[in-house]
Amino acid sequence: RKEVEQDPGPFNVPEGATVAFNCTYSNSASQSFFWYRQDCRKEPKLLMSVYSSGNEDGRFTAQLNRASQYISLLIRDSKLSDSATYLCVVHAGKSTFGDGTTLTVKP
Amino acid sequence: EPEVTQTPSHQVTQMGQEVILRCVPISNHLYFYWYRQILGQKVEFLVSFYNNEISEKSEIFDDQFSVERPDGSNFTLKIRSTKLEDSAMYFCASSAQGVKNTGELFFGEGSRLTVL
Repeated sequence: RKEVEQDPGPFNVPEGATVAFNCTYSNSASQSFFWYRQDCRKEPKLLMSVYSSGNEDGRFTAQLNRASQYISLLIRDSKLSDSATYLCVVHAGKSTFGDGTTLTVKP
Repeated sequence: EPEVTQTPSHQVTQMGQEVILRCVPISNHLYFYWYRQILGQKVEFLVSFYNNEISEKSEIFDDQFSVERPDGSNFTLKIRSTKLEDSAMYFCASSAQGVKNTGELFFGEGSRLTVL
């Protein structure tokens, strides 16, 4: 089993759509959780941390379920500029990246 | 905004040559990392470095690889004898220390290594 597993994607959605990405992790001792965004041939950039109580940043909502070892990212009212690869990252001593889920938002 | 800087942005080398990739982490960060990403593949952890020593390394980080913090600002990754499969984008990252160390990583723009 992969340490961090994400929806394989790709996701192709129209502008304005709501899209959700899922991620599971295998290490129950994992301490911190993040969603990063990576544009083509660029470095990953932090989108948001994921807290146990769930957190929201504008159109983005992240959820964590420690019991199920599951993380999610919801994007509402998607924009063309949201097109990117979304990386689930789990930190347990070291940060482990999922394979990423590619989102393309179309006009 | 403080940032991680990497040089060179792109290096082309012949198989068997030594390569040194350089990074200047964010100045008040004390945890440093190298990751690599082969074209079209996932970001892979190579090594983490703290207090002038390796704190963790992956299976990828074999004897061909080494890291060093030669002075107070640079953090280098050396590949002794490059192989074709070392061709990848190498990302340096840093993170804060102690209670502020939530594991949030700040990445440089990467150094693309092409081995011919």
